[in-house]
Amino acid sequence: DSGVTQTPKHLITATGQRVTLRCSPRSGDLSVYWYQQSLDQGLQFLIQYYNGEERAKGNILERFSAQQFPDLHSELNLSSLELGDSALYFCASSVVAQNTEAFFGQGTRLTVV
Amino acid sequence: AQSVTQLGSHVSVSEGALVLLRCNYSSSVPPYLFWYVQYPNQGLQLLLKYTSAATLVKGINGFEAEFKKSETSFHLTKPSAHMSDAAEYFCAVSSNTGFQKLVFGTGTRLLVSP
Repeated sequence: DSGVTQTPKHLITATGQRVTLRCSPRSGDLSVYWYQQSLDQGLQFLIQYYNGEERAKGNILERFSAQQFPDLHSELNLSSLELGDSALYFCASSVVAQNTEAFFGQGTRLTVV
Repeated sequence: AQSVTQLGSHVSVSEGALVLLRCNYSSSVPPYLFWYVQYPNQGLQLLLKYTSAATLVKGINGFEAEFKKSETSFHLTKPSAHMSDAAEYFCAVSSNTGFQKLVFGTGTRLLVSP
């Protein structure tokens, strides 16, 4: 158990819908990262937050957004969902902002039908 | 920009044989390098990391990796494969400067046969 909790584990939704994925980092970790894992794209970095502020952005679509709350949990919002958004979404956390070691959650498997 | 290349999407070994998973990196600044393992329906678990200390890094489950700057490589090895090692392995690179993200390779699936 990495200590990073992601909910829900599975999510099935229709095209055009909006979903929210939640991540609770390890106790004491200030930095949260979101990754998308799909068969065709592999593991892609989406976005990073550190102590409530956005710190780095990767290949995140405009339809996607994220935030980190004062209690340090984070949410990834995906809207106007398309079939191609079906993937495993991982959250990871680390103590510091720099990626010396990140601990990954079990992921949320999103299926868009 | 940083990147990693993992040679071989699948590697098959027999139980007890040497495991060698290859990773080459590209980085314009001193890199941090990582190996993660992903078991079916699980998240990624850190096996080991290189952060500019010793070039030979020992990790969990008997794995180790050697940082070779001249070859820009960080290959993962294990002297004797076990059935439980069957999984997908990802090499990743980051940087010790700024808010750098982990950039992952495409992964190598390790198959272990009895």
